Amino acid sequence: KAGVTQTPRYLIKTRGQQVTLSCSPISGHRSVSWYQQTPGQGLQFLFEYFSETQRNKGNFPGRFSGRQFSNSRSEMNVSTLELGDSALYLCASSPGQGSLYNEQFFGPGTRLTVL
Amino acid sequence: AQSVAQPEDQVNVAEGNPLTVKCTYSVSGNPYLFWYVQYPNRGLQFLLKYITGDNLVKGSYGFEAEFNKSQTSFHLKKPSALVSDSALYFCAVRFQSGNTPLVFGKGTRLSVIA
Repeated sequence: KAGVTQTPRYLIKTRGQQVTLSCSPISGHRSVSWYQQTPGQGLQFLFEYFSETQRNKGNFPGRFSGRQFSNSRSEMNVSTLELGDSALYLCASSPGQGSLYNEQFFGPGTRLTVL
Repeated sequence: AQSVAQPEDQVNVAEGNPLTVKCTYSVSGNPYLFWYVQYPNRGLQFLLKYITGDNLVKGSYGFEAEFNKSQTSFHLKKPSALVSDSALYFCAVRFQSGNTPLVFGKGTRLSVIA
């Protein structure tokens, strides 16, 4: 089975722009989560989706949004980019019915640099 | 609110020696606990998890972890470290009921020296 794929892998934007990141989960996985990873803050939870419904949202400003499509693929969008948004954005998918004890399978991430 | 603490930013160990990466958690109720590893320029890989039952959990690459409810800890261990174990290790916790997300610790960098 193919793993979780994220596109693009690298992205450079300037302040004020917006960006859309894409995640394709492992085939059959219906749960997708997004995380922001920075050296200082570690892994911060952004969103969790299951069957197109947002199940959880982290403590991020409204500039961060996401969605999940009927094929379980997910996108996240960041508007009005700030320098502090520079980070590695990780997507993860889980098997089964979205059970809380299922492990997550991570993609390689999208490295976003905001100049 | 649930939280995870990894008290050591860095752990150094000689190859062949046992290693321990510490994790303590705070959650009101029974937890699901996980360990993940991240190699350079890669996403996270699942190592092992505790759901219920036996407190000693065995996982990938010879790693194991012991759930200690009284000490609210879930330390990761390996009897004999390899240089290839050098990586960033993350502990994560999730409340067993309700609809709470997976919360990660800040990570511990493990360096195994030959």
